[in-house]
Order: sequence, then C-alpha cells, then structure tokens
Amino acid sequence: ETGVTQSPTHLIKTRGQQVTLRCSSQSGHNTVSWYQQALGQGPQFIFQYYREEENGRGNFPPRFSGLQFPNYSSELNVNALELDDSALYLCASSWGTSGIQETQYFGPGTRLLVL
Amino acid sequence: SQQGEEDPQALSIQEGENATMNCSYKTSINNLQWYRQNSGRGLVHLILIRSNEREKHSGRLRVTLDTSKKSSSLLITASRAADTASYFCATDPNTGGFKTIFGAGTRLFVKA
Repeated sequence: ETGVTQSPTHLIKTRGQQVTLRCSSQSGHNTVSWYQQALGQGPQFIFQYYREEENGRGNFPPRFSGLQFPNYSSELNVNALELDDSALYLCASSWGTSGIQETQYFGPGTRLLVL
Repeated sequence: SQQGEEDPQALSIQEGENATMNCSYKTSINNLQWYRQNSGRGLVHLILIRSNEREKHSGRLRVTLDTSKKSSSLLITASRAADTASYFCATDPNTGGFKTIFGAGTRLFVKA
C-alpha cells in the first residue's frame, strides 16, 4: 500500500460528458502527477502539480485540466469526453524539492469507460 | 512518441530462472526508474537510479544504467511465480520541466 488513494475506482460516462477524478496524496508529499494508461500501453504523462501550480504537461489537449489543493490532494477534470478517453487514470505523489523527479508512489487508478 | 522502449515486449521463463529486461531512451536524463504493474493495477516503484550511477541493487533486483548508450537493464534473479507482471522503465528527461516518460513495458510470465 502506497497511501495514495483514488476515487472512484470505476466510472462509465457517455461521449460529450464531463468527469472529475480525485486523488489523495501520500502524507508529506507535495507533488502529484496524473497519467493515462490505455489497455496494453505504458502510462502517458498528462501533467504534474507542485505546491498547487502546474509545472509540467504532456501532449494532452486543454480539455484535460487539473487542480491541486492546499492539502496536496488533487483533481483531474476531463471535458467533452471522447471514446478514446477510455483508459486507466493513475495519479502518483512524490516529494519534490528541485527540478528533478523523485520516486513516485502510485494510487490504484480509476478505470474510465466512455460509451 | 515514448522516450523509453523496453525489450523484449514479452518474456516467459521458468521459476528459478533469471529474467533480464532492457530499456532504451532518447534524450539525456536526470534519473531512470523501474516500476512493476500487476494486472492493470497501480504501479509499484522498484528502483531509482540516477544519471551518475551505474548499478544499483535491491534484494533480487539489479539495475544497470549506461548513459553513453542511453540504456538500462533490470535483472530479476531466481524468479518466482509472484514476479509475473508488467515491468516499465520511466525516465526523467533533463530538458527542463517535470515530465516522466514511460515505455510500453515488458510483460513477464514466470511459470511455476
């Protein structure tokens, strides 16, 4: 157990809808990253938040947005859902003090299905 | 495109044998990490190796890093059925800004 929790565990939405996924970081961690993992693929980096500011983003459109709260928990929001957004969404927390990514601790993921 | 590429894509061995997985990447890095994932669940961190390190050990795991060849290897010795999982390398590119890049993974199957 890493201490990182995610909710919900599973979710079914339809095209065009909006979804919010939640993540609670491991105690003492100030950095959270979000990843999208399609079936049979490696995780794709969406973005990272450090002390409530976005400080890194992968090749995802603006309809993917996020927030990090003062208690370092985080949300991932996806608007105008598309079928290709169906995937496992993973969040990972870490302790960041410099420009180098340290060990990340992953939550169990939220499996999103878009119909 | 993904920075890390694991090789082989799949590996099947007998319990007790050693398993070696390789990872290649394209740009200079700050560090490289190996993760394990069981059946589409969350990833478990195995080892982090920094760019100025060449080898690290953790229990039955041995990781090497060759920055001149932009490659890393993960060796699991005396494998067990419980080692059956997907293994991913992840790099932290030295290009400014946080961006961890995963490869597509090696699927390891250890037969009892």
